[in-house]
Amino acid sequence: DAGITQSPRHKVTETGTPVTLRCHQTENHRYMYWYRQDPGHGLRLIHYSYGVKDTDKGEVSDGYSVSRSKTEDFLLTLESATSSQTSVYFCAISESGFRPRNQPQHFGDGTRLSIL
Amino acid sequence: SQQGEEDPQALSIQEGENATMNCSYKTSINNLQWYRQNSGRGLVHLILIRSNEREKHSGRLRVTLDTSKKSSSLLITASRAADTASYFCATDAKETSGSRLTFGEGTQLTVNP
Repeated sequence: DAGITQSPRHKVTETGTPVTLRCHQTENHRYMYWYRQDPGHGLRLIHYSYGVKDTDKGEVSDGYSVSRSKTEDFLLTLESATSSQTSVYFCAISESGFRPRNQPQHFGDGTRLSIL
Repeated sequence: SQQGEEDPQALSIQEGENATMNCSYKTSINNLQWYRQNSGRGLVHLILIRSNEREKHSGRLRVTLDTSKKSSSLLITASRAADTASYFCATDAKETSGSRLTFGEGTQLTVNP
C-alpha cells in the first residue's frame, strides 16, 4: 500500500468551528489531492497541489482552503464548518515527475467528518 | 451531468460468474482509470487505459475503451466473494491541467458465495 496517512480518521464537531484534516505521505510524490465522497455524487475534487506551496481549486472548493508547506503534508481546512460539509474526505497522491499524465492515484483510507 | 457515469448502479451475481460494468463520459480524454473501493476503505487503482489503447488486461480484469462512443467497460471474470466492492471509473480529461481525475458515482458489485 502507498504510504498515505490521514488524520484524524473520525471527527465530530459543531457548526461554525474550524477543522483541519491532515494528509501525510512517505512516497515523495509531487501531486496531492483532497476529495469528498457523498452518496449520489461519487468523489468530487476539492483542491489539489502540484508542489510545495502550489495549489489549485477543484470543482467543490467553496468553504475549503489548503496548504502545503512540505512535500509530505497537505492540509485541508474548513474555516467555519457547516452541516453541508459532513462527508468522508479522501486524500490521494500521484507520481508525476515532469509528466503528470497517465499516472494512477493512490488513496488514503479517509476521514469521516460529522458536523452537527 | 458528470464526466464518467457507471452503469449499472448495482449488480448482484453468483460466485464464478462474470461481471461487466460500463462507464460513459463526455469529453476528450488522456486516459480512463478504474478503481475499486471496499466498504470503509480508500479507493484502490485497478487499471489505466490510455486514449490510444482499445483493450487492456490485468489478471481477471479486462478493460475496453471506445473513444468514438466515449465509453469503457470493465469485465471481471470468474468472480469471487472478495470482489464485492464499489467500482469507479475516472477520466483524465484533455481540457484539464495537471493530473486531475473526474470520478463517476460507481457500481456496487455484490458477489454471492
